[in-house]
Amino acid sequence: EDKVVQSPLSLVVHEGDTVTLNCSYEVTNFRSLLWYKQEKKAPTFLFMLTSSGIEKKSGRLSSILDKKELFSILNITATQTGDSAVYLCALWGAGGTSYGKLTFGQGTILTVHP
Amino acid sequence: NAGVTQTPKFRVLKTGQSMTLLCAQDMNHEYMYWYRQDPGMGLRLIHYSVGEGTTAKGEVPDGYNVSRLKKQNFLLGLESAAPSQTSVYFCASRRTAPGYGYTFGSGTRLTVV
Repeated sequence: EDKVVQSPLSLVVHEGDTVTLNCSYEVTNFRSLLWYKQEKKAPTFLFMLTSSGIEKKSGRLSSILDKKELFSILNITATQTGDSAVYLCALWGAGGTSYGKLTFGQGTILTVHP
Repeated sequence: NAGVTQTPKFRVLKTGQSMTLLCAQDMNHEYMYWYRQDPGMGLRLIHYSVGEGTTAKGEVPDGYNVSRLKKQNFLLGLESAAPSQTSVYFCASRRTAPGYGYTFGSGTRLTVV
């Protein structure tokens, strides 16, 4: 069974801080690792990572995948109150019984205080 | 607007009642998914479908059934609702081609009393 574990489960910071969210997994055969941000309703897509060592960047957010050590990190620099959300990591399975499946971690709740 | 539409948005059921949640997408996506989200548990996959007429079990399929008779619709059924099925349910869809993310519906909040 594919397993995705996120840490920390919750994090409280002040505006301007930099945070690093972690996602580790126990799946060797997968297509992509995805990051989502969830505020009040449905998750919204942030990044899709397929190759190891290549950083993806979008404004103050960046993410990288390490396929050797089986983890990914999501960095947010100069945090703002609007970054407060649940951040979800998910794996898209490659083949066999994982074909087509998107397995999520339990999420990290980020709270940014003014 | 193109996207994933879930109905209903809210529902309260009594224990033992049955209901069907509808997910409809107009993007011609092959893959469709049903997830439930509980506090501290992330999103857990209930059932999914890799094409019209196909369905497969996810992590937590017990107590649920699904059908994908038409490509655009994916139905989730609860035959005899239980309080443990109180949750927020999300439907998602995606294309077959790699490099694309998933599109989520806005969710259905179900309470079983």
